[in-house]
Amino acid sequence: KQEVTQIPAALSVPEGENLVLNCSFTDSAIYNLQWFRQDPGKGLTSLLLIQSSQREQTSGRLNASLDKSSGRSTLYIAASQPGDSATYLCAVLGAGSYQLTFGKGTKLSVIP
Amino acid sequence: DAGITQSPRHKVTETGTPVTLRCHQTENHRYMYWYRQDPGHGLRLIHYSYGVKDTDKGEVSDGYSVSRSKTEDFLLTLESATSSQTSVYFCAISGDARNEQFFGPGTRLTVL
Repeated sequence: KQEVTQIPAALSVPEGENLVLNCSFTDSAIYNLQWFRQDPGKGLTSLLLIQSSQREQTSGRLNASLDKSSGRSTLYIAASQPGDSATYLCAVLGAGSYQLTFGKGTKLSVIP
Repeated sequence: DAGITQSPRHKVTETGTPVTLRCHQTENHRYMYWYRQDPGHGLRLIHYSYGVKDTDKGEVSDGYSVSRSKTEDFLLTLESATSSQTSVYFCAISGDARNEQFFGPGTRLTVL
């Protein structure tokens, strides 16, 4: 059974700092990996999708990398802003599956 | 944002009563999903649909049924609600099983 782990569970950084969020998964047989953002009381917003054949994806200040063989992904946020404060979720789609398996998230606080 | 709405957004009900949650999309996506989000468990798939009248079970399907009579609507029914079904329910859509999933705003359900 696929398991997804996100460490740390919470992170607090000063504004302007570059930061990295980590995601690991136990089964490397995946179709893709998706990073989401969730604000309190809200739904999930898709940030980046990395297909299993890709190594990284970029969108603005966000860069996500994927190392499928080692079961790891990182989300890099450059020049963090208070508006980046949210919970970030990582999810993987297993090969031959319709089901996204989610990590429990990293709660990010960016302090002005 | 993807055109996904969920109704109701909040509901309080009593144990043993039937409850139906609705997900409506305007994107004409083939795939629709129901997830529940609980503290300590993250998001888990309840049921999904891969076309009109085509549905299948997810990880936590016990106590839930679904129906999809039109491309745009996916209904989740709790036949006899229990307190363990108190949760936040999210609908998601995707154009293909391997594509990015987009999430609705969620329904907060409380079963007393």
